[in-house]
Amino acid sequence: KQEVTQIPAALSVPEGENLVLNCSFTDSAIYNLQWFRQDPGKGLTSLLLIQSSQREQTSGRLNASLDKSSGRSTLYIAASQPGDSATYLCAVASGSARQLTFGSGTQLTVLP
Amino acid sequence: GAVVSQHPSWVICKSGTSVKIECRSLDFQATTMFWYRQFPKQSLMLMATSNEGSKATYEQGVEKDKFLINHASLTLSTLTVTSAHPEDSSFYICSAIARDRVYEQYFGPGTRLTVT
Repeated sequence: KQEVTQIPAALSVPEGENLVLNCSFTDSAIYNLQWFRQDPGKGLTSLLLIQSSQREQTSGRLNASLDKSSGRSTLYIAASQPGDSATYLCAVASGSARQLTFGSGTQLTVLP
Repeated sequence: GAVVSQHPSWVICKSGTSVKIECRSLDFQATTMFWYRQFPKQSLMLMATSNEGSKATYEQGVEKDKFLINHASLTLSTLTVTSAHPEDSSFYICSAIARDRVYEQYFGPGTRLTVT
C-alpha cells in the first residue's frame, strides 16, 4: 500500500526566503506526482504535476523535482511571499485506477 | 478547460437524515471519478473510485451502504450520505479523470457537510 510522508509538518519563514518542502513515498511504481496548495476551508489548487518519466517541473517561482527510484520529491519556492502562506500537499498517482495518495501536508507561514 | 463543480458548496443537516452531493465535469467527459474526505487539520483520504455505469469501488473502512455513490453519466457522480451522524461532518472533495487526459485528476471545490 502506497504511503506518502511530508516533512516538515509546519514551517514558518520570513518573507523573501527560499524554501524547500519534502515529500517521500514508499512505492516507486507511480504514474505521476502532484503538488497542491490548499488555503484554509478551501479546495485544492494544482501547482505542478511531474510525470513518472520526468525529473522536474517549473512554474514561476516554483520548482518541483522527482527522484522516483529513491521515492522522493521536493518543492522549491523561491523568494517566498506572505501570499504563499497555505498548506502544501503532495500526492502520488498509482494503482490500476491511478488513485491519488496524499501526504499529510506542510503548513507554510510566510511572515511579512 | 477541465473544470469540476460540486453542489452544494456547504450543507447543514440534522442527524439521521440523508444528504446528496453532486460532482460534475463541466467541459469534459470523466471516465473515472473519485471521492475524498478531509477532516479538520488532516489530509485527504480516498473514499471510493467510480467508473461510469459500474459500481463504485470503496476503500477499506468506508461503509458502502452509508456512502452511496452513483456515476450515472460521463459528467455526473453523486455521493449520498445516508442516516448522517455528527461524525460524518467533514469536507468532501471529488475529482475526475478526463477520457483523453488520463494522467491528471481535476478537483472540485469541495463540499462542507455539517451534521447537527
